[in-house]
Amino acid sequence: KAGVTQTPRYLIKTRGQQVTLSCSPISGHRSVSWYQQTPGQGLQFLFEYFSETQRNKGNFPGRFSGRQFSNSRSEMNVSTLELGDSALYLCASSLGPEETQYFGPGTRLLVL
Amino acid sequence: QKEVEQDPGPLSVPEGAIVSLNCTYSNSAFQYFMWYRQYSRKGPELLMYTYSSGNKEDGRFTAQVDKSSKYISLFIRDSQPSDSATYLCAMSGASGGGADGLTFGKGTHLIIQP
Repeated sequence: KAGVTQTPRYLIKTRGQQVTLSCSPISGHRSVSWYQQTPGQGLQFLFEYFSETQRNKGNFPGRFSGRQFSNSRSEMNVSTLELGDSALYLCASSLGPEETQYFGPGTRLLVL
Repeated sequence: QKEVEQDPGPLSVPEGAIVSLNCTYSNSAFQYFMWYRQYSRKGPELLMYTYSSGNKEDGRFTAQVDKSSKYISLFIRDSQPSDSATYLCAMSGASGGGADGLTFGKGTHLIIQP
């Protein structure tokens, strides 16, 4: 069974731009969570989606948003990029909200 | 004080040694505890998943949870160079993370010397 896939794998943007990252969960998984990983803060929870609904959001500004489609694929969007948004963005999928999370390889975003 | 504390290392040990990795936490609501392994430029890979206090063994890996001390450990026996990676502890109040997601330690960078 294929794992979680994330596209693109690498991205370079400039301050003020916006970016959209994509995540395709493991087949049959309906829950998708997003995390930001930086050397200073480690892995931090962004938000979780289940059945196209955002269930909760971590302590991030409104510039960070996401959505989930009916096929469980998810996208996250960051508007008005800042230098501090440079990070590895990880997507994790699970069968449901109460199930074990499996991570994708991440999208490495560099903001210049 | 962060919710989860983990020594970042690096921790360097010779091949074949027993490795001990640890995390402490402050939130008594945490009930589910996980260890993930992350190789450079890869996503975290789940190694161990335990609920509440106790031990769990899987091959060369043993996870221990002591909720009374708010302390969790991962032991790796007969360590191999391929075990060199960053090890992240994670925990949550709900199974699988739930709506609040997983809370991670910053990870310990482990180096197994051949």
